[in-house]
Amino acid sequence: DIQLTQSPPSLSASVGDRVTFTCRASQAITMKLAWFQQRPGKAPRSLIYAASRLQSGVPSKFSGSGSGTEFNLTISSLEVGDFTTYFCQQYQAYPPTFGGGTRVDI
Amino acid sequence: QLQLQESGSGLVRPSQTLSLTCDISGGSITSGGFSWSWIRQPPGKDLEWIGHIWHSGGPNYNPSLKNRVTISLDTPENQFSLDLKSVTAADTAVYYCARCSGWLVDYWGQGIFVTVSS
Repeated sequence: DIQLTQSPPSLSASVGDRVTFTCRASQAITMKLAWFQQRPGKAPRSLIYAASRLQSGVPSKFSGSGSGTEFNLTISSLEVGDFTTYFCQQYQAYPPTFGGGTRVDI
Repeated sequence: QLQLQESGSGLVRPSQTLSLTCDISGGSITSGGFSWSWIRQPPGKDLEWIGHIWHSGGPNYNPSLKNRVTISLDTPENQFSLDLKSVTAADTAVYYCARCSGWLVDYWGQGIFVTVSS
């Protein structure tokens, strides 16, 4: 299975900050990488697919980049609702796998 | 807006069968191009793909669970189900149902926590 490692596991930031975190794959996955936001007790929300494509309705402050084995999610200006956990998913190979998440703390 | 909601027993005895259902609203299980999946997250561990099923085809399972898992569709009820047999404490997890485009998840349920304990 393809392993996804997210870094850092957590970070502290302030409202208005720009943050970037990383998802590294154990082998090349071309662009088949997605990002999700997960708030406690809520359904995870799809943000990005194909490494850099924004899901419909997702604000443009979220952006994805990368290819091969290293991918990034950037939030350009943090708002209160953005302080939660983000995780990645590869869908290049079966079974699909997920990263362990990055928690953004205020 | 598509919504998915898991239901089932939150407590299962060891060696018994874990059974969950996912109710779909705001969309149809027969929608072309989508598969319906189960994913779980044990406490303190990463999310794990369990398997998925296409309306127009059969199920596919994670090889790590293949011998114990059954995913099925109930088209008239617009829902799909998961059965996981011979459970142990290692099967304690939050279980999510999801809609996928291929293997890409686009909608998730909010999850249901299932404890395996006597």
